[in-house]
Amino acid sequence: QSALTQPASVSGSPGQSITISCTGTSSDVGGYNYVSWYQQHPGKAPKLMIYEVSNRPSGVPDRFSGSKSGNTASLTISGLQAEDEADYYCSSYTSSSVVFGGGTKLTVL
Amino acid sequence: QLQLQESGPGLVKPSETLSLTCTVSGGSISSSSYYWGWIRQPPGKGLEWIGSIYYSGSTYYNPSLKSRVTISVDTSKNQFSLKLSSVTAADTAVYYCARHHWNDDPGAFDIWGQGTMVTVSS
Repeated sequence: QSALTQPASVSGSPGQSITISCTGTSSDVGGYNYVSWYQQHPGKAPKLMIYEVSNRPSGVPDRFSGSKSGNTASLTISGLQAEDEADYYCSSYTSSSVVFGGGTKLTVL
Repeated sequence: QLQLQESGPGLVKPSETLSLTCTVSGGSISSSSYYWGWIRQPPGKGLEWIGSIYYSGSTYYNPSLKSRVTISVDTSKNQFSLKLSSVTAADTAVYYCARHHWNDDPGAFDIWGQGTMVTVSS
Protein backbone atom coordinates (compact mmCIF):
# COMPACT_ATOMS: atom_id res chain seq x y z
CA GLN A 1 0.00 0.00 0.00
CA SER A 2 1.23 3.50 -0.81
CA ALA A 3 0.90 6.56 1.38
CA LEU A 4 -1.83 9.01 0.45
CA THR A 5 -0.60 12.18 -1.30
CA GLN A 6 -0.77 15.50 0.50
CA PRO A 7 0.89 18.84 -0.34
CA ALA A 8 4.03 19.33 1.72
CA SER A 9 2.95 22.75 2.89
CA VAL A 10 0.17 25.31 2.80
CA SER A 11 -0.09 28.74 4.32
CA GLY A 12 -2.66 31.39 5.06
CA SER A 13 -3.23 34.57 7.01
CA PRO A 14 -5.37 34.81 10.14
CA GLY A 15 -9.06 34.90 9.26
CA GLN A 16 -8.56 33.31 5.86
CA SER A 17 -9.58 29.83 4.74
CA ILE A 18 -7.26 27.10 3.54
CA THR A 19 -7.82 23.66 2.08
CA ILE A 20 -5.54 20.64 2.34
CA SER A 21 -6.00 17.84 -0.18
CA CYS A 22 -5.45 14.13 0.30
CA THR A 23 -5.30 12.06 -2.87
CA GLY A 24 -5.53 8.30 -3.00
CA THR A 25 -7.06 5.70 -5.26
CA SER A 26 -10.33 3.88 -5.73
CA SER A 27 -8.94 1.25 -3.35
CA ASP A 28 -8.73 3.62 -0.41
CA VAL A 29 -10.06 7.21 -0.38
CA GLY A 30 -12.38 6.69 -3.32
CA GLY A 31 -13.66 3.32 -2.22
CA TYR A 32 -14.88 4.05 1.29
CA ASN A 33 -16.28 6.92 3.34
CA TYR A 34 -13.55 6.25 5.88
CA VAL A 35 -11.27 9.28 5.71
CA SER A 36 -9.96 10.91 8.86
CA TRP A 37 -7.88 14.01 9.52
CA TYR A 38 -5.40 14.68 12.31
CA GLN A 39 -3.73 17.80 13.70
CA GLN A 40 -0.28 17.41 15.24
CA HIS A 41 1.62 20.11 17.07
CA PRO A 42 5.40 19.69 17.54
CA GLY A 43 6.27 17.08 20.13
CA LYS A 44 2.63 16.12 20.65
CA ALA A 45 0.49 13.15 19.72
CA PRO A 46 -1.87 13.57 16.77
CA LYS A 47 -5.41 14.77 17.52
CA LEU A 48 -8.41 13.47 15.59
CA MET A 49 -10.18 16.40 13.87
CA ILE A 50 -12.43 14.71 11.29
CA TYR A 51 -13.66 11.13 10.83
CA GLU A 52 -15.85 9.41 8.25
CA VAL A 53 -14.95 12.15 5.73
CA SER A 54 -16.87 15.00 7.33
CA ASN A 55 -17.76 14.27 10.95
CA ARG A 56 -16.22 16.26 13.80
CA PRO A 57 -15.52 14.67 17.20
CA SER A 58 -16.92 16.50 20.18
CA GLY A 59 -14.86 19.57 21.02
CA VAL A 60 -13.45 20.20 17.54
CA PRO A 61 -14.40 23.70 16.32
CA ASP A 62 -16.79 23.90 13.38
CA ARG A 63 -14.11 25.92 11.56
CA PHE A 64 -12.77 22.50 10.58
CA SER A 65 -14.67 20.68 7.86
CA GLY A 66 -14.04 17.71 5.60
CA SER A 67 -15.26 16.57 2.22
CA LYS A 68 -14.49 14.09 -0.53
CA SER A 69 -14.79 13.96 -4.30
CA GLY A 70 -13.72 10.82 -6.10
CA ASN A 71 -10.27 9.76 -4.94
CA THR A 72 -9.47 13.07 -3.24
CA ALA A 73 -10.48 14.14 0.24
CA SER A 74 -10.12 17.67 1.57
CA LEU A 75 -9.80 19.40 4.92
CA THR A 76 -10.89 23.03 5.04
CA ILE A 77 -10.06 25.35 7.90
CA SER A 78 -11.97 28.61 7.89
CA GLY A 79 -11.28 31.66 10.02
CA LEU A 80 -7.63 30.62 10.37
CA GLN A 81 -6.13 31.18 13.80
CA ALA A 82 -2.54 31.21 15.00
CA GLU A 83 -3.06 28.01 16.99
CA ASP A 84 -4.04 26.15 13.81
CA GLU A 85 -0.38 26.18 12.76
CA ALA A 86 0.55 22.49 12.87
CA ASP A 87 1.08 19.40 10.76
CA TYR A 88 -2.03 17.76 9.33
CA TYR A 89 -2.40 14.13 8.27
CA CYS A 90 -5.17 12.29 6.49
CA SER A 91 -5.87 8.57 6.82
CA SER A 92 -8.02 6.09 4.98
CA TYR A 93 -9.16 2.51 5.24
CA THR A 94 -7.98 0.14 2.54
CA SER A 95 -8.29 -3.63 2.29
CA SER A 96 -8.18 -4.57 5.98
CA SER A 97 -5.50 -1.94 6.53
CA VAL A 98 -5.04 1.73 7.34
CA VAL A 99 -2.92 4.14 5.32
CA PHE A 100 -1.84 7.68 6.22
CA GLY A 101 -0.94 10.63 4.08
CA GLY A 102 2.56 12.08 4.10
CA GLY A 103 1.47 15.13 6.06
CA THR A 104 1.05 18.85 5.35
CA LYS A 105 2.67 21.65 7.31
CA LEU A 106 0.26 24.55 7.79
CA THR A 107 1.86 27.93 8.40
CA VAL A 108 -0.24 30.81 9.66
CA LEU A 109 1.40 33.96 8.31
CA GLN B 1 -11.16 9.57 31.37
CA LEU B 2 -9.49 6.93 29.26
CA GLN B 3 -5.71 7.21 29.03
CA LEU B 4 -3.06 5.21 27.19
CA GLN B 5 0.60 4.99 28.18
CA GLU B 6 3.40 3.38 26.21
CA SER B 7 6.36 1.78 27.96
CA GLY B 8 9.48 -0.11 26.94
CA PRO B 9 13.19 0.24 26.13
CA GLY B 10 14.23 3.43 24.41
CA LEU B 11 17.24 1.79 22.76
CA VAL B 12 17.28 -1.46 20.79
CA LYS B 13 20.22 -3.05 18.98
CA PRO B 14 20.02 -3.82 15.25
CA SER B 15 18.66 -7.31 14.43
CA GLU B 16 17.04 -7.58 17.86
CA THR B 17 13.34 -7.42 18.76
CA LEU B 18 11.62 -4.18 19.78
CA SER B 19 9.05 -4.74 22.55
CA LEU B 20 6.57 -2.14 23.77
CA THR B 21 3.52 -2.26 26.02
CA CYS B 22 0.52 0.05 26.13
CA THR B 23 -1.36 0.29 29.42
CA VAL B 24 -4.99 1.40 29.30
CA SER B 25 -6.33 3.23 32.34
CA GLY B 26 -9.68 4.82 33.11
CA GLY B 27 -11.55 2.17 31.15
CA SER B 28 -11.52 -1.45 30.07
CA ILE B 29 -9.55 -2.77 27.14
CA SER B 30 -12.36 -5.31 26.77
CA SER B 31 -14.88 -2.65 25.75
CA SER B 32 -16.89 -3.96 22.85
CA SER B 33 -16.30 -2.50 19.37
CA TYR B 34 -12.96 -0.83 20.17
CA TYR B 35 -9.69 -1.93 18.62
CA TRP B 36 -6.29 -0.97 19.96
CA GLY B 37 -3.54 0.02 17.59
CA TRP B 38 0.11 0.89 17.18
CA ILE B 39 1.28 3.76 14.97
CA ARG B 40 4.84 5.01 14.52
CA GLN B 41 6.48 8.20 13.29
CA PRO B 42 10.17 8.35 12.29
CA PRO B 43 11.88 11.62 13.23
CA GLY B 44 10.70 14.41 10.95
CA LYS B 45 8.49 12.08 8.94
CA GLY B 46 4.85 11.02 8.68
CA LEU B 47 2.66 8.51 10.47
CA GLU B 48 2.63 4.79 9.71
CA TRP B 49 0.03 2.36 11.01
CA ILE B 50 1.63 -0.84 12.31
CA GLY B 51 -1.35 -2.92 13.34
CA SER B 52 -4.34 -3.29 15.65
CA ILE B 53 -5.89 -5.82 18.01
CA TYR B 54 -9.31 -6.53 19.55
CA TYR B 55 -9.60 -7.75 23.12
CA SER B 56 -10.50 -11.20 21.78
CA GLY B 57 -7.11 -11.38 20.07
CA SER B 58 -8.28 -10.65 16.52
CA THR B 59 -5.56 -8.69 14.69
CA TYR B 60 -4.94 -6.63 11.58
CA TYR B 61 -1.41 -5.81 10.41
CA ASN B 62 0.20 -3.43 7.93
CA PRO B 63 1.13 -5.69 5.00
CA SER B 64 4.56 -4.07 4.72
CA LEU B 65 5.42 -4.98 8.32
CA LYS B 66 3.36 -8.11 8.81
CA SER B 67 6.27 -10.55 8.61
CA ARG B 68 8.03 -8.86 11.55
CA VAL B 69 5.10 -7.75 13.75
CA THR B 70 3.21 -9.44 16.55
CA ILE B 71 0.55 -7.63 18.58
CA SER B 72 -0.93 -9.31 21.64
CA VAL B 73 -3.37 -8.41 24.39
CA ASP B 74 -3.52 -9.14 28.13
CA THR B 75 -7.00 -8.29 29.35
CA SER B 76 -6.13 -9.15 32.96
CA LYS B 77 -3.57 -6.34 32.98
CA ASN B 78 -5.55 -4.03 30.66
CA GLN B 79 -2.55 -3.95 28.33
CA PHE B 80 -1.64 -4.70 24.75
CA SER B 81 1.84 -5.16 23.36
CA LEU B 82 3.92 -4.79 20.22
CA LYS B 83 6.85 -6.91 19.12
CA LEU B 84 8.83 -5.94 16.02
CA SER B 85 11.60 -8.33 15.09
CA SER B 86 14.85 -7.92 13.15
CA VAL B 87 14.92 -4.16 13.63
CA THR B 88 17.15 -1.80 11.67
CA ALA B 89 17.85 1.92 11.88
CA ALA B 90 14.76 2.45 9.71
CA ASP B 91 12.63 1.34 12.66
CA THR B 92 13.81 4.30 14.74
CA ALA B 93 10.66 6.26 15.52
CA VAL B 94 8.21 7.56 18.08
CA TYR B 95 5.78 4.71 18.72
CA TYR B 96 2.21 5.56 19.68
CA CYS B 97 -0.60 3.37 20.93
CA ALA B 98 -4.16 4.48 20.20
CA ARG B 99 -7.81 3.42 20.27
CA HIS B 100 -10.16 3.13 17.31
CA HIS B 101 -13.38 1.60 16.03
CA TRP B 102 -12.37 -0.88 13.32
CA ASN B 103 -15.95 -1.49 12.27
CA ASP B 104 -16.83 2.19 11.89
CA ASP B 105 -13.91 4.24 10.56
CA PRO B 106 -10.78 2.09 10.97
CA GLY B 107 -8.51 5.08 10.44
CA ALA B 108 -10.10 7.21 13.14
CA PHE B 109 -7.88 6.91 16.21
CA ASP B 110 -9.63 9.00 18.84
CA ILE B 111 -7.46 8.51 21.92
CA TRP B 112 -3.66 8.40 21.76
CA GLY B 113 -0.83 7.76 24.16
CA GLN B 114 1.89 10.38 24.49
CA GLY B 115 4.29 8.29 22.42
CA THR B 116 7.66 6.76 23.23
CA MET B 117 10.87 7.25 21.25
CA VAL B 118 12.69 4.08 20.26
CA THR B 119 16.16 4.30 18.75
CA VAL B 120 17.76 1.38 16.94
CA SER B 121 21.51 1.58 17.35
CA SER B 122 24.43 -0.54 18.44
